[in-house]
Amino acid sequence: GESVGLHLPTLSVQEGDNSIINCAYSNSASDYFIWYKQESGKGPQFIIDIRSNMDKRQGQRVTVLLNKTVKHLSLQIAATQPGDSAVYFCAEKWRNFNKFYFGSGTKLNVKP
Amino acid sequence: NAGVMQNPRHLVRRRGQEARLRCSPMKGHSHVYWYRQLPEEGLKFMVYLQKENIIDESGMPKERFSAEFPKEGPSILRIQQVVRGDSAAYFCASSPPAGTTEAFFGQGTRLTVV
Repeated sequence: GESVGLHLPTLSVQEGDNSIINCAYSNSASDYFIWYKQESGKGPQFIIDIRSNMDKRQGQRVTVLLNKTVKHLSLQIAATQPGDSAVYFCAEKWRNFNKFYFGSGTKLNVKP
Repeated sequence: NAGVMQNPRHLVRRRGQEARLRCSPMKGHSHVYWYRQLPEEGLKFMVYLQKENIIDESGMPKERFSAEFPKEGPSILRIQQVVRGDSAAYFCASSPPAGTTEAFFGQGTRLTVV
């Protein structure tokens, strides 16, 4: 759901390890989900999306998992690189609404 | 195909002045969203517009803030009589008319009120 002004949690991983970033979404009627990456001083950038009729979708080095039962979304990044350091947001779109709601975000810190 | 263009990238205003933030959506996109982001925080929805219509302004403060998306030209987010608490990054996103598809973001306008 909407960010409520909380400071961002941070996930620190070693370069080369896999990263898992989690997100709880708010509306069981959401039908479309996106993961965005935001680097410092820039706008959010699309990473990967998934529709509610799917459980899993893979991209290049990234995998998104959707668990509708518990309204949970995760982003897995394989072989994390320093360039992956950024803030990651999940966004959900409610069915029949054309508005995106953003989660509060997770800061990924990749240690060389 | 140019992406979502926002200008200015940085805007400094004194307390009490007006701030105008512009957003040109991607070509073919008729839906525009404005979000506000404080440092180290998430994106907070402000308003969703289609051409000449405000669809959802549930995230807009009741006073001093307004938004428009005219038939021609960019979308404008207007903040009157700015206060220090308005200092933030304001992001615009656009999406195509219909369907389930991503919203593309601009690089944002960083407003500083002094």
